This record gives sequence, structure tokens and C-alpha cells, in this order.
Amino acid sequence: DTAVSQTPKYLVTQMGNDKSIKCEQNLGHDTMYWYKQDSKKFLKIMFSYNNKELIINETVPNRFSPKSPDKAHLNLHINSLELGDSAVYFCASSQGTSGQETQYFGPGTRLLVL
Amino acid sequence: AQSVTQLDSHVSVSEGTPVLLRCNYSSSYSPSLFWYVQHPNKGLQLLLKYTSAATLVKGINGFEAEFKKSETSFHLTKPSAHMSDAAEYFCVVSLGGTYKYIFGTGTRLKVLA
Repeated sequence: DTAVSQTPKYLVTQMGNDKSIKCEQNLGHDTMYWYKQDSKKFLKIMFSYNNKELIINETVPNRFSPKSPDKAHLNLHINSLELGDSAVYFCASSQGTSGQETQYFGPGTRLLVL
Repeated sequence: AQSVTQLDSHVSVSEGTPVLLRCNYSSSYSPSLFWYVQHPNKGLQLLLKYTSAATLVKGINGFEAEFKKSETSFHLTKPSAHMSDAAEYFCVVSLGGTYKYIFGTGTRLKVLA
């Protein structure tokens, strides 16, 4: 059983389009995250939700909007896609928020904006 | 401010020889430290973590790391490299109380036959 799943796995789209990436975890965790990995493999947190409430919101353009309909899901909607949005987006989850918990990562969504 | 530095962007070893991947951290508090591995086109998998218990931490696949507060280091080692160890390795420091992982820039491990 997949613990953290993301759909789609690959996403190729044109500049200016709007797209969504979905994430689901079946671990019963209460905290979920979105990360962006750039072409140099650098990973940076974008957002985090705990019990459906936003707790981390890094300096991300407001074209990116996360939505958490319940504790098991955290979706990422991106408006007006730009070339620089091309990256791999990882979803992750953890139980608790002390900072010592292991985060479990999904397989990633490879976004290419043309 | 917390940060983490991976000292080598690329490391090459021969199969069967030891692996050393270096990581130094900066933290105002007692940090939690993690090593994750990412195989090509895959997600990240936890290798091991340090959370203020034993300073020598054993992980999966024969990896281990030692927390050295005096040197602010958390280097990852393995006695004998296997071809399947070829991957990208990330050292991570966690900001306690703020839920945030800070990732190092990664070390690409290449294992030569």
C-alpha cells in the first residue's frame, strides 16, 4: 500500500495554464507538506498544514494555493503557470509537529511548463 | 538561524569500499538531524535520524551517522558501498517547534564497479 501518493506523476502544460496536483496519505498523520525541488535538486518547503490549518507558508507566489479538504489530503493549485514553475513537487506527511518526527515523502510530480 | 551544509556535491567510491558523506549544521537549539536518500526519479526515503538520544545512529541498508556536537557534524558512513547505493543523499536539520525541515544541497554518490 502506498503511504503518500501524488497525482499526476508527470504534468506537461503551457505557460498561463492553471493546474492542480493532488496528494493523499493513508498513514493517519495530522501534518502534511508541499516541497519544491528545482533543477539542481535543491529542496525547499512551500507549505505545511496541521489538522487542515495552514502553519507554514513560505515566500511562495500567491499563484500557488494549497487546499486541505481533510487531514489525509493536501492539494496544490497553481494559477497562471510560468516557465520557472518547472520543477518536481513533493508532498510529505508526518505525525505531530515537534520537528523530531520523520516526514514521509510521496514519489513526486514532475511539472514541465512550456 | 538554522542551516545545513553538505561539504561535497559529488562523491565517487569503488564498490566494496567505505562511504563518507559529510554534513555540518548550524543550530541555536538542540537539533534533530536526518539523512534521506533519493534514487533517480524517485521520492525521498529516510535512512536514519538523530533526536537527542544515542549519538551514534544506525539506519537502514548498513548506513550509520554520528552526531558530534563539538564539531557540529552529522556525517553519514557505510563500511562497504554497494552498486545500489548510487543515489542523491540529503542531510536535513529540523527546526524544533516550527515543523520545518531545512535541506542541505545534496551529495550525489557514485559507486564504481
